[in-house]
Amino acid sequence: DTAVSQTPKYLVTQMGNDKSIKCEQNLGHDTMYWYKQDSKKFLKIMFSYNNKELIINETVPNRFSPKSPDKAHLNLHINSLELGDSAVYFCASSQEGWGPYNEQFFGPGTRLTVL
Amino acid sequence: KNEVEQSPQNLTAQEGEFITINCSYSVGISALHWLQQHPGGGIVSLFMLSSGKKKHGRLIATINIQEKHSSLHITASHPRDSAVYICAVNQGAQKLVFGQGTRLTINP
Repeated sequence: DTAVSQTPKYLVTQMGNDKSIKCEQNLGHDTMYWYKQDSKKFLKIMFSYNNKELIINETVPNRFSPKSPDKAHLNLHINSLELGDSAVYFCASSQEGWGPYNEQFFGPGTRLTVL
Repeated sequence: KNEVEQSPQNLTAQEGEFITINCSYSVGISALHWLQQHPGGGIVSLFMLSSGKKKHGRLIATINIQEKHSSLHITASHPRDSAVYICAVNQGAQKLVFGQGTRLTINP
């Protein structure tokens, strides 16, 4: 069983479209994250949710809207896609959102290409 | 300048060599993570530490809080160790700040 799963794995779309990436974790974790990895392989946190509540929003354009229907899911919706949104997006989860000692489990990533 | 700096950025070595990857950070942290990103893209957490040293098999991670420095060592390196190794620090409760990664290639 996959601990943290993301769909789709690849997403190719035209500029201006709206798309969503889904993430699910079956680890019973309280906290979920979205990270963006750019073309230089640099990872940066975008959002963090703890028990469906937004905790971290790292100066991400408001075209990006995370949605957490329950604590096992954190979906990422992107409006009006731009060329610069092309990247690999990773979802992750950890057990306790407020502790500093929590291992994060990563999903396989979604490679988004905006044409 | 990044808050988390890794060196070297690229490292090529022969099978069996002892490998060291360094990570320095400039902010206060509660914990430091070493991650491994496979050529296929998947990311795996290797270590999470806040002091001292941890060992898993051929991998050893150390941290010196006073010097704001951590090292990841691989003993008896093997081609399957080829990957990108990423250092990340916990800044606050949940926020992870990442280094730029070190691409390691082990030749047979």
